[in-house]
Amino acid sequence: EVQLVESGGGLVQPGGSLRLSCAASGFTFATYNMNWVRQAPGTGLEWISFISTDSASIYFAESVKGRFSISRDNAKNSLFLQMNSLRDEDTALYYCARHSYEALDHWGQGTLVTVSS
Amino acid sequence: QSVLTQPPSVSAASGQKVTISCSGSNSNIGNNDVSWYQHFPGTAPKLLIYKNNNRPSGIPDRFSGSKSGTSATLGITGLQTGDEADYYCGTWDIGLRSSVFGGGTKLTVL
Repeated sequence: EVQLVESGGGLVQPGGSLRLSCAASGFTFATYNMNWVRQAPGTGLEWISFISTDSASIYFAESVKGRFSISRDNAKNSLFLQMNSLRDEDTALYYCARHSYEALDHWGQGTLVTVSS
Repeated sequence: QSVLTQPPSVSAASGQKVTISCSGSNSNIGNNDVSWYQHFPGTAPKLLIYKNNNRPSGIPDRFSGSKSGTSATLGITGLQTGDEADYYCGTWDIGLRSSVFGGGTKLTVL
């Protein structure tokens, strides 16, 4: 069974940093592209980042470009999102999602990030 | 404001059919495959349709997808109260070099 489990969320002050992790199991992690998607309170889903299997292709939404970075460790079946210079508007539930057939076919339950002073 | 446009809400009676539209441009839907997701807030979104009209294993055939030009449509037949959720379309945008979602449509089953 495919499982994606996010962790690392929490309360952080504006301007602070946080590193999210996503532990993958039940599939060959190294052969799938991965994504991060978030949902802020009262809003819809917002895609924020993509990373290819070999980390050679990486994309970000404009809203996080220059502040967030994405990485993966295929040996440890893990995906990461480093978030710097956090703003109030980054408060959201953050999901990792597996990329397959040009869609996000499996998602984690999410980890909550709250940016507040 | 989302790149893909969906109606904020739709409603239909139990047992009936509903369609949800998703409108984009040549930069996204016009040149890329569309996927659809069902989301109960606070839980993991679920993929309903991929590559415009394909259902993953386990998704009932009550759910269908279609695409024409720069628009896509999700259809749900035999509506059940358990279908009440938020529905999102998604695709890749060539110009933005990013994945994009619609703003989401809240389905109410009357």
